[in-house]
Amino acid sequence: NAGVTQTPKFRILKIGQSMTLQCTQDMNHNYMYWYRQDPGMGLKLIYYSVGAGITDKGEVPNGYNVSRSTTEDFPLRLELAAPSQTSVYFCASRDRGPNTEAFFGQGTRLTVV
Amino acid sequence: GDSVTQMEGPVTLSEEAFLTINCTYTATGYPSLFWYVQYPGEGLQLLLKATKADDKGSNKGFEATYRKETTSFHLEKGSVQVSDSAVYFCALIDQTGANNLFFGTGTRLTVIP
Repeated sequence: NAGVTQTPKFRILKIGQSMTLQCTQDMNHNYMYWYRQDPGMGLKLIYYSVGAGITDKGEVPNGYNVSRSTTEDFPLRLELAAPSQTSVYFCASRDRGPNTEAFFGQGTRLTVV
Repeated sequence: GDSVTQMEGPVTLSEEAFLTINCTYTATGYPSLFWYVQYPGEGLQLLLKATKADDKGSNKGFEATYRKETTSFHLEKGSVQVSDSAVYFCALIDQTGANNLFFGTGTRLTVIP
């Protein structure tokens, strides 16, 4: 049971480059989330999805895009990388309902130079 | 809107000391409440949860009681160990149709031998 898998684990980007952070879950969860965690800080919600074909903005969506074409996958796209996007990115998923546990991936550490 | 407020950290304790990390919430209705733990270099994982008033969640010696009258869910442990050093997040899922997930800012705990 793989749970939530994020790739890559580490990445260094130059300013202006683009990349996609991959997130896949094998638990058939409806809800998926992308968070960023800056050093010494809490989680900030970037985007979330309540099911395939449905996405919505979170607290800090600027500079990012997402898609949810399947239940399993929820990739996060950075189009023009900026130093302010240096952070650790976490993907999470959970089943529908008011009491369900969220499962997190191991994170992607991104540095923009 | 719904929110979670945690005590500011960091918290440093000696081994075998008593731990309390405060968490209060604002929500419409009666949300489900959670504590998540993040060990260094890892994603968050569920520590314990409570789904209704006066419920007590417990795991690994940690406990938290859902207090409706004070809108609180404080995390406690009677005797901390070095291995408990981590960041602890309080969270809630609201009871609206969206079942949104909200995290507190996290509290870093360091336990010294």
